[in-house]
Amino acid sequence: DADVTQTPRNRITKTGKRIMLECSQTKGHDRMYWYRQDPGLGLRLIYYSFDVKDINKGEISDGYSVSRQAQAKFSLSLESAIPNQTALYFCATSGERVTDTQYFGPGTRLTVL
Amino acid sequence: AQTVTQSQPEMSVQEAETVTLSCTYDTSESNYYLFWYKQPPSRQMILVIRQEAYKQQNATENRFSVNFQKAAKSFSLKISDSQLGDTAMYFCAFRSAGSNYKLTFGKGTLLTVNP
Repeated sequence: DADVTQTPRNRITKTGKRIMLECSQTKGHDRMYWYRQDPGLGLRLIYYSFDVKDINKGEISDGYSVSRQAQAKFSLSLESAIPNQTALYFCATSGERVTDTQYFGPGTRLTVL
Repeated sequence: AQTVTQSQPEMSVQEAETVTLSCTYDTSESNYYLFWYKQPPSRQMILVIRQEAYKQQNATENRFSVNFQKAAKSFSLKISDSQLGDTAMYFCAFRSAGSNYKLTFGKGTLLTVNP
């Protein structure tokens, strides 16, 4: 079984709709992250969480919100989706040591029409 | 702020040959970590190799090795004996040792291995 899972894997929605992307991990990591990937831009950090009560904005948090329901679950919400939020979204996890590597989920491809 | 530059948007190589992907970065910090991630058509982000800036020895993982030049702020990835399964987008990434959360990614290099 995969250590980091994301649901759904693909989603098409309409402008103005609320949508939630979910991430679960079995690695026992405290730290979780949401990234966005756009063609030609690499990955950019949206939000990150160091534990259930510690949530922080990344470099492109406008238009997004998150919820850390448990150590293993971290959800990303688009309250009112817009077309320029069409992208590939990745969840990642890591341990808290400075040497720890981030491990990525399989990604969710979101299309906003 | 750190920046990571991958100057080769696309590259191709023949199967069994060697290819080098370039990456440069800009930082004022002395201690940090560098990574190469691979993203095949399946979209999964897979860690290929990592390098600690305080280590002078270049990291190697089987057919993958890096040429880390700290003074030049260069971190290239060499793939030896290229295989068809190496076809993927490759991302170079930087992480400060003082902020163990933020990965700064380059824009990626699309590598195609031809039979």
